[in-house]
Amino acid sequence: QVQLVQSGAEVKKPGSSVKVSCKASGGTFSTYAINWVRQAPGQGLEWMGGIIPIFRTTKYRQEFQGRVTLTADESTSTAYMELSSLRSEDTAVYFCGKEILGSTGAFDIWGQGTMVTVSS
Amino acid sequence: QSALTQPASVSGSPGQSITISCTGTSSDVGGYNYVSWYQQHPGKAPKLMVYDVSNRPSGVSHRFSGSRSGNTASLTISGLQAEDEADYYCSSYTSTSTLNYVFGTGTKVTVL
Repeated sequence: QVQLVQSGAEVKKPGSSVKVSCKASGGTFSTYAINWVRQAPGQGLEWMGGIIPIFRTTKYRQEFQGRVTLTADESTSTAYMELSSLRSEDTAVYFCGKEILGSTGAFDIWGQGTMVTVSS
Repeated sequence: QSALTQPASVSGSPGQSITISCTGTSSDVGGYNYVSWYQQHPGKAPKLMVYDVSNRPSGVSHRFSGSRSGNTASLTISGLQAEDEADYYCSSYTSTSTLNYVFGTGTKVTVL
């Protein structure tokens, strides 16, 4: 059974960048898509983008285009989400989620979440 | 569109059935069989309850069922239990150019 473990909480200054990791154990990492979803305090879920490691293909929510970069390291079964030019509105819990093979947009395995706080 | 529309709250007594709606458009909910439902308890990651409109992942109770009519999807919880109290979100693939997947606004389910 695949498990996703994310890196720890971060506190960042406005204008800086943050890189969150999502390490997979079990299963074949390269064959499934890893998507990133964030949740601001007290708010709903927001899809940010996704990557299929084996193909290195990525897709991004347009409003994050240019600020978010998704990468994956197959040798360590780890996916990364880097968000730049941070602003206070980026304060949120960031989740990675594995997409079900054969479906679209159904995330059956999630990481525990990484709290990113942007504050001066 | 930026988010699918869900009722802010739904409540029911133990043993009752409740239904949560999720309204979108023909570019998302009504146009593709890629509607999912998630349960989220406070401070926890979302849990997939239904995918592809009406399929249940292994391990999810049969009390949870999904359906769709036109541009509105629904999640029905039958035999409501205390542990069902949580936030529920729908999501759908969308053909709009600005994003691939859109989530619903979320529904707080309260067990009375």
